[in-house]
Amino acid sequence: NAGVTQTPKFQVLKTGQSMTLQCAQDMNHNSMYWYRQDPGMGLRLIYYSASEGTTDKGEVPNGYNVSRLNKREFSLRLESAAPSQTSVYFCASRSRLAGYNEQFFGPGTRLTVL
Amino acid sequence: GIQVEQSPPDLILQEGANSTLRCNFSDSVNNLQWFHQNPWGQLINLFYIPSGTKQNGRLSATTVATERYSLLYISSSQTTDSGVYFCAVEDRGTYKYIFGTGTRLKVLA
Repeated sequence: NAGVTQTPKFQVLKTGQSMTLQCAQDMNHNSMYWYRQDPGMGLRLIYYSASEGTTDKGEVPNGYNVSRLNKREFSLRLESAAPSQTSVYFCASRSRLAGYNEQFFGPGTRLTVL
Repeated sequence: GIQVEQSPPDLILQEGANSTLRCNFSDSVNNLQWFHQNPWGQLINLFYIPSGTKQNGRLSATTVATERYSLLYISSSQTTDSGVYFCAVEDRGTYKYIFGTGTRLKVLA
């Protein structure tokens, strides 16, 4: 099992450019999450998908869109990147089975917006 | 929304020392996890512990859900324990996870 995978690992964008961050999990988990982590800070929830077909806003959704493509994949899109979106982005997934619903994280995508 | 506070914010230890990290949360939660973020940025699951006590080697954790806190104990610390320790709680009924601000630990050889 690869667990949670994210692509790309690194990306540099210019202000105003768009891009999509990809996340996939092979653990048959129902819920998936996108977080951002700014330097020296904790993780803040951007969007989450409690189950296939649903998405909801987290703490910091502005400037982002998400798509739950299927049970395995959850993508994060920046339509018009801004320097304030420079951050490390983490994807996570979680089962909803009682007693087995801890989150597992991907390795992260380090994004710089110039 | 739920507030999650961790203490202390920073901790420096000599190798071999013990420590206790604390996580307080402001409301009832469904789940609680402890993570270690290593110096390379990887988030490593330590404990899934909505209540009770668990142990894994030199690490153990206790959550007292009725009093809204959790403790992470590190015994005989090693330099590889350095990094940032986060607790995260699940807001009841929403599936949202909220992270604390972390405890930055440095273990000196």
